[in-house]
Amino acid sequence: EVQLVESGGDLVQPGGSLRLSCVASGFTFSNFAMSWVRQAPGKGMEWVSAISGSGGNTYYADSVKGRFTISRDNSKTTVFLQLNSLRAEDTAIYYCAKDLTLGGHDAFDIWGQGTMVSVSS
Amino acid sequence: SYLLTQPPSVSVAPGKTARITCAGNNIGTKSVHWYQQKPGQAPVLVIFYSSDRPSGIPDRFSGSNSGNTATLTISRVEAGDEADYYCQVWDTSTVHRIFGGGTKLTVL
Repeated sequence: EVQLVESGGDLVQPGGSLRLSCVASGFTFSNFAMSWVRQAPGKGMEWVSAISGSGGNTYYADSVKGRFTISRDNSKTTVFLQLNSLRAEDTAIYYCAKDLTLGGHDAFDIWGQGTMVSVSS
Repeated sequence: SYLLTQPPSVSVAPGKTARITCAGNNIGTKSVHWYQQKPGQAPVLVIFYSSDRPSGIPDRFSGSNSGNTATLTISRVEAGDEADYYCQVWDTSTVHRIFGGGTKLTVL
């Protein structure tokens, strides 16, 4: 079964840091780009970041560039999102999502269940 | 950056046809993907490449894309189709994925 399982969400103070993890199973992990997508409470979806299958290319939304870092460990079939300098507006459910095809920049065919990040003093 | 506009809400009676639009500049030149999200659940891909359906998605779901508007059509709507629906594209100029604001489908 193809599956993504996120972890690492927590309550953190403004200016703090967190590291989110997403463990993948059921597919050849290194062949697919992976993304993080977030959803603030009661709001729509916002793409946050993506990383190519090899890890050599990374992409960020303007709202998180310079504060968040995406990475992956293909030997552990895990993608990470390091969140630094957190702000109240970063409060959201963070979903890990897999690209549909090998080409990347694609639809997201598999999503994790999400992990909640709350930024508050 | 590229902007996708969806109506906030669409209402339809059971058994009728629902159409959810996604407007964007020359969106007809892009591949549009659609997701269904039910309360408390992760999104599910229902249409990709504007009109293709993943396995397991009923053929009541279809998509089209032309000019400045992409449309998700749900035929013979059922109570279980009540959800939020999001369109999404890849913006080639920024290499970013872009989501529409979402449309809440209410089954009357």
